[in-house]
Amino acid sequence: GAGVSQSPRYKVAKRGQDVALRCDPISGHVSLFWYQQALGQGPEFLTYFQNEAQLDKSGLPSDRFFAERPEGSVSTLKIQRTQQEDSAVYLCASSLRRDQPQHFGDGTRLSIL
Amino acid sequence: DAKTTQPNSMESNEEEPVHLPCNHSTISGTDYIHWYRQLPSQGPEYVIHGLTSNVNNRMASLAIAEDRKSSTLILHRATLRDAAVYYCILNTGANSKLTFGKGITLSVRP
Repeated sequence: GAGVSQSPRYKVAKRGQDVALRCDPISGHVSLFWYQQALGQGPEFLTYFQNEAQLDKSGLPSDRFFAERPEGSVSTLKIQRTQQEDSAVYLCASSLRRDQPQHFGDGTRLSIL
Repeated sequence: DAKTTQPNSMESNEEEPVHLPCNHSTISGTDYIHWYRQLPSQGPEYVIHGLTSNVNNRMASLAIAEDRKSSTLILHRATLRDAAVYYCILNTGANSKLTFGKGITLSVRP
């Protein structure tokens, strides 16, 4: 079915490089979320979009993290000058409305060498 | 967000019922109780949610205590595919972000 799609599935980058992670939400879903999941931990909230508006970015760990959703559908999470502690699985979720259940993609596993 | 407390792990036998407990003694009147599960190498998957009354769907049942300070996720007949980490999360409609804890790891024995 047409679930949430994330690409790439795996990304390896050298410390200091910039990376971009893509999320294709379910068509028609207004709300889009990004989460970060470290090994052995539960996902942690990064940022939230309602259509193209970024309404909450309180979870972004530093100004090296930037997210956008310019046309209210596809979203990109960009990490500049990556560091080893950025290694994690980055999950994207979408929902029809903010109070509806969230549908998650399978994530991008980012490894920083 | 109000916090939830879950055991670290639980084991069950295939085809038997499983009761996964969750304590949330500081729950507020507007908090919904959500359950998500995460299979290995996959993103979390919505299971069920409720406010006050018990809820049933095709995946599971949610039993909510009368004082709402605890709840139990019930899988009626566990299968090997139900082996996953189960997260109990409190969430209001207005605060849409999910705050995951460590969850409970469910193992299912054949």
